[in-house]
Amino acid sequence: QKEVEQDPGPLSVPEGAIVSLNCTYSNSAFQYFMWYRQYSRKGPELLMYTYSSGNKEDGRFTAQVDKSSKYISLFIRDSQPSDSATYLCAMSAISGGSNYKLTFGKGTLLTVNP
Amino acid sequence: GAVVSQHPSWVICKSGTSVKIECRSLDFQATTMFWYRQFPKQSLMLMATSNEGSKATYEQGVEKDKFLINHASLTLSTLTVTSAHPEDSSFYICSAVQDGETQYFGPGTRLLVL
Repeated sequence: QKEVEQDPGPLSVPEGAIVSLNCTYSNSAFQYFMWYRQYSRKGPELLMYTYSSGNKEDGRFTAQVDKSSKYISLFIRDSQPSDSATYLCAMSAISGGSNYKLTFGKGTLLTVNP
Repeated sequence: GAVVSQHPSWVICKSGTSVKIECRSLDFQATTMFWYRQFPKQSLMLMATSNEGSKATYEQGVEKDKFLINHASLTLSTLTVTSAHPEDSSFYICSAVQDGETQYFGPGTRLLVL
C-alpha cells in the first residue's frame, strides 16, 4: 500500500461546478497537509496548508482534514476554466528543517469546461 | 513574496555530458532546499535534501555521485547531473522552505538527454 493514495482522474466538470478532490494516507505520523496546483510543465504552486483536523477556507478553496479516517479533501467552489490543472496533495510528519520531507499523491488532473 | 526560481528552464544535452541546474530563493533565505524529479504523469519524487554549508542527504536509490548537490549560500542550491544518459531525462524541481513551515517550489527544469 502506498503511503498516499490519490485518484489520478482525469476529472472533467462544467464551469461553476463544485469540485471535490481527495487523498487517503496510511502513515499516522503525517501531521501537516498541503494541496498544490500544478499547471502543465510548471512547478507546483501552494494552495492550502493545514495541520489540524477540520476545515480551512481560502476564497473558493476549502481544505478538509480528517485525521481519524486518514482522509483529506480539497473543495473548489464555482470552478473556473483557469482552475484546470493537476492538483497534488502532499503531507509531512515534520514541518520545517532538513527533515521536512513531503510525500505527494500522484495528482488529479482536473479540467473545467466553459 | 516566497519566490523560487530555477535556471535553466529547459536543457537538451548529449549523452555523457554534465548539466548544472540552479535553484534560487529570490526574496527569502533558505537553509534547506529540496530537489525532486517528476516523470510524465507521475508525482514528485524527492531526490535529496540540500543543506546550506553541509553535505546533501540523498533518498534511497538516488546515486549521490551522479546527482551532485551544492548549497553554496542561503539563497542558492545547484544540482549537477553528471554523465547524463537518456534515462535521466525528466522534470527536475526544487523547493525551499520559508519560515520553517511551507515549501515553495521553483518552476522546474526540463532535461532531455539525447
